[in-house]
Amino acid sequence: SQTIHQWPATLVQPVGSPLSLECTVEGTSNPNLYWYRQAAGRGLQLLFYSVGIGQISSEVPQNLSASRPQDRQFILSSKKLLLSDSGFYLCAWSVHRDYGYTFGSGTRLTVV
Amino acid sequence: QKEVEQNSGPLSVPEGAIASLNCTYSDRVSQSFFWYRQYSGKSPELIMSIYSNGDKEDGRFTAQLNKASQYVSLLIRDSQPSDSATYLCAVPISGSARQLTFGSGTQLTVLP
Repeated sequence: SQTIHQWPATLVQPVGSPLSLECTVEGTSNPNLYWYRQAAGRGLQLLFYSVGIGQISSEVPQNLSASRPQDRQFILSSKKLLLSDSGFYLCAWSVHRDYGYTFGSGTRLTVV
Repeated sequence: QKEVEQNSGPLSVPEGAIASLNCTYSDRVSQSFFWYRQYSGKSPELIMSIYSNGDKEDGRFTAQLNKASQYVSLLIRDSQPSDSATYLCAVPISGSARQLTFGSGTQLTVLP
């Protein structure tokens, strides 16, 4: 069966520090991968999605970047965090949109 | 017009009642529809998918789809306090083969 792993679960980082969040999927090949952010009490904001190794589409201009160095690995990064980067970051995968997405457990990031 | 719209709520129902959650969408050619449940502080979990007009039942949950009127609803029968969560509706993004768009969610509280 397919599983998605996301870590860390919580993170407190100072303003200006770098960020690296990792997501891996097991049990499937060539998944579509997504990074979402959810601010407190708000909806899901798509940040990046990837359809293959090295293929990244950015949805929102921001202080973040994404990379997909391996088929089932998706990384979200920042060189210098801003206070506004705080939120709940969710990784998701799908084989096709008609089957829906499966989300990881999320990372709660607080920038202080 | 937003691609997916949901009443933000909050919606409160007494335990044992039927909770009715509604979602409208703008793309007439959408073929797949999803309901996610998100408990506070947790990631969204796919609970229902529906592809054809009519009703789809899974335990206490029933998804209803009306393509002519472009709405999809979720009924929760015999509501329990454990059903208290935010429910997100998701539909494919027009023109994209890989992306879903999510509604902002309806917060449901089941009162004991």
